[in-house]
Amino acid sequence: GQQLNQSPQSMFIQEGEDVSMNCTSSSIFNTWLWYKQDPGEGPVLLIALYKAGELTSNGRLTAQFGITRKDSFLNISASIPSDVGIYFCAGPKDNYGQNFVFGPGTRLSVLP
Amino acid sequence: KAGVTQTPRYLIKTRGQQVTLSCSPISGHRSVSWYQQTPGQGLQFLFEYFSETQRNKGNFPGRFSGRQFSNSRSEMNVSTLELGDSALYLCASGTGGAGEQYFGPGTRLTVT
Repeated sequence: GQQLNQSPQSMFIQEGEDVSMNCTSSSIFNTWLWYKQDPGEGPVLLIALYKAGELTSNGRLTAQFGITRKDSFLNISASIPSDVGIYFCAGPKDNYGQNFVFGPGTRLSVLP
Repeated sequence: KAGVTQTPRYLIKTRGQQVTLSCSPISGHRSVSWYQQTPGQGLQFLFEYFSETQRNKGNFPGRFSGRQFSNSRSEMNVSTLELGDSALYLCASGTGGAGEQYFGPGTRLTVT
């Protein structure tokens, strides 16, 4: 079945640094969603991507829909302590319905 | 606009019992999906309801069931609880296509 891989699995960065993470799939997706989850809470939608090559920003976050449609990238600029959490990518299993497959997540820690 | 709400937030049950979890989607959203999140398996899709009909189903045993009401509110039921059912159960709502999906805070179920 469809699987998503995320790298890195975890990362430790200094406050103020930029962060890059990516998500790859064994199959083509028509939508990519990026979420952030804090401990004990539900994932919060950060960015949605719908078109190959699309680059979308949300404040300090920028995500790109890879041109092969099998990958996506998330960048965070000038990280701050509240960026700590787990970042998930997700893609739909089919073109209708909201049955999403999720990556295993990238755990981000920000050192002051 | 109010977000997705889930009740209860925390639940402790004994093996063999059954449990019902509730989810109220964002106003206007007709799709409600349920996910199970565990440290070992990550976020896994349980099922999706759209306009009171189950539209998608994940690979979970028949002990997991759900329903959706005419106001789009949804319930999930797990019968004959097992220790392995301990997890964070997340509900997400959307407009119905393979697009943005918004999560609630989750229900933390502990089976003893």
